[in-house]
This record gives sequence, structure tokens and C-alpha cells, in this order.
Amino acid sequence: ETGVTQTPRHLVMGMTNKKSLKCEQHLGHNAMYWYKQSAKKPLELMFVYSLEERVENNSVPSRFSPECPNSSHLFLHLHTLQPEDSALYLCASSQGLTIVGNTEAFFGQGTRLTVV
Amino acid sequence: AQSVTQLDSQVPVFEEAPVELRCNYSSSVSVYLFWYVQYPNQGLQLLLKYLSGSTLVKGINGFEAEFNKSQTSFHLRKPSVHISDTAEYFCAVSETDKLIFGTGTRLQVFP
Repeated sequence: ETGVTQTPRHLVMGMTNKKSLKCEQHLGHNAMYWYKQSAKKPLELMFVYSLEERVENNSVPSRFSPECPNSSHLFLHLHTLQPEDSALYLCASSQGLTIVGNTEAFFGQGTRLTVV
Repeated sequence: AQSVTQLDSQVPVFEEAPVELRCNYSSSVSVYLFWYVQYPNQGLQLLLKYLSGSTLVKGINGFEAEFNKSQTSFHLRKPSVHISDTAEYFCAVSETDKLIFGTGTRLQVFP
């Protein structure tokens, strides 16, 4: 248990569905991240939030919409996804935006998303 | 932009044998380097990190890594592996406010 909880663990959705992924951290961190993990590819950073404000969006398609209502919660809203969006979506948090020094990124267990 | 190369996608090894997982990065400036491990159906867990100082870094579970600036490498080693070390291992380099990951190396330990 890393202190970062993601729900659901598994999700199967059709291309016309709308669903949301949830991430919650109990570590008092002020930065949260969404990563996409696809087979044979490096982890891709999708979004970065610091103090509930989005600070980075790595050219992610608009069918992915993040929301950070407070420093403990992060959502990823999904709509009209494509089969190639099937992947493991990992949430992470850290104390401080820069992942250096004594700062460490703590990851959740991920949500395995399958788009059919 | 930084990049990380993990040359071996899979490394099979017998239990109690030594192992080395290779990682090379591209950078001409100071870097911070990390190794993460991902057990089946789990998120990533930090194994060790290099920030400065001694080039030999010791981490959890008996792993260690050596930072080699001239070869831009940060290879991960363990002198004697266990079945429980079977997992995916990711090398990462920091860039400003994010981590850049390699494609991962699958370590498979056989009895």
C-alpha cells in the first residue's frame, strides 16, 4: 500500500461510453499526475497538477479530461475513447512539483482500461 | 529532451544468480536517476535513486545501481536474485518537473 488508491482496478467500456477514473492520495502531497502505460512503450506523462492547478498537458487528446477538485483527489474523465486507448492508467503523487531531492513519486496500482 | 534506453526488454535468470539490468540516458547536464519496480498488478515502487555524491547507490531488496557519467549509464544489479524479484523494472531520469521513463525490462527468475 503506497498511500495512493485508484478505482476502479479494471474497466471495460465501449467507444460511446463515458466513464471516470478516480485517484485518491492520503499522503498530504500537493502534486498529482496521470500516466499512461501501454505495452512495449515508455510510461507517458499525461497530466500534472500542482496545488489543484493543471501545470502540464502533454498533447493529450480532448477525449481525456482531468479534474482535480482538491489536493487529495484526481479524476480522469473518459468519453468516446478508441481501442488504442486501452492501457494501464497510473496515478502518482509527490510533495512538491519537482521530482528531485528528497521528493519521491508514489504510484497507485493503476486502472486497467479496455476499450471495446 | 531527455530520453532513457533500456536495451533488454526481457532478462531470464535462475534463482540465486547475479543479474544486471541496463539503462542508458541521454543528457549532457546534471541528472537525477531512478529505478522503479512494478510487481504484477501493482503500481510502481521506487527501488533507488541517484541525486549526487557516491556513484554507487544502494536500494531496497538488495539492489544497487552505479552511476557512470562518462558512459551515461545507470545499470541496476543484484548479486543473488530470488523468485520474488520477478517483476518489471523501469529506469527513469528527471527533467524539470517530471520523470522520463524507459520502456522497462521484464526480469523473470526461474527456480
